[in-house]
Amino acid sequence: AQSVAQPEDQVNVAEGNPLTVKCTYSVSGNPYLFWYVQYPNRGLQFLLKYITGDNLVKGSYGFEAEFNKSQTSFHLKKPSALVSDSALYFCAVRGSSGGYNKLIFGAGTRLAVHP
Amino acid sequence: GAGVSQSPSNKVTEKGKDVELRCDPISGHTALYWYRQSLGQGLEFLIYFQGNSAPDKSGLPSDRFSAERTGGSVSTLTIQRTQQEDSAVYLCASSRRGGQGNTGELFFGEGSRLTVL
Repeated sequence: AQSVAQPEDQVNVAEGNPLTVKCTYSVSGNPYLFWYVQYPNRGLQFLLKYITGDNLVKGSYGFEAEFNKSQTSFHLKKPSALVSDSALYFCAVRGSSGGYNKLIFGAGTRLAVHP
Repeated sequence: GAGVSQSPSNKVTEKGKDVELRCDPISGHTALYWYRQSLGQGLEFLIYFQGNSAPDKSGLPSDRFSAERTGGSVSTLTIQRTQQEDSAVYLCASSRRGGQGNTGELFFGEGSRLTVL
C-alpha cells in the first residue's frame, strides 16, 4: 500500500534562514510526488511535483524539492524563508503502477516563520 | 468559473440529519476526488471518480456516506444520519485526467465546513 510520512508536526525557522520540510514515501512502482500548501481557512494550492527527470524540481514562491530514490524522500526546501510562507504544507504521492490512482497525503507540517 | 467550486461553504446541522455537499469541478477535468480534513489535520481520502469508470469508494468511512457524479461533471457527497464525528472540512478536487500513470496535479476547492451539533 502507498503511504506518506511527514515526521515533523511543526517546523520553526527565522525569516531569512533556509527551511526544510521533510517527507518520505512508500509506493509500488515509480512515485509521482507532490507538495501542496494550505493557508488558513483556504483550500490547498499546488506548489510543485516530481514525475521523472532531474531530481531537483522547482516550484512556486521560490520553493524547490529534491527527490532521493534511495532514501525514498522528497523534502521541500527554500533558501530564504519569508514570514508569509507560514502555512500548513502537505506532501502527497501517487504510484505509477497497478491501480494506485488516488493521491495519498501526509498528515501535514505546520511551518512557522518568525520575524 | 475558473476554479473548483464547492457549496455550501459552511453548514451547521443537528445530529441525525442528512446533508448534501456539492462540487463543481473545473470544466474538462475528468477526475474528481473528495477528501475530509478534520481540525487542520491531514487529508483523508474518501472517494475518487474517473470518467465513466466505477468510482473508488475505498475511503468512505461508513455506509452513511455516499457520493455520485452526474454527467461526468458535478458531484454530490451525501452524509446520512450525521454524527458529531462527521464534523470536518470536506474538500473536493479535480484534475485533467486520471487513470494509471496520471501525472497531473489536483486543483482544490475552498471546502465545505460541516458542523454537527
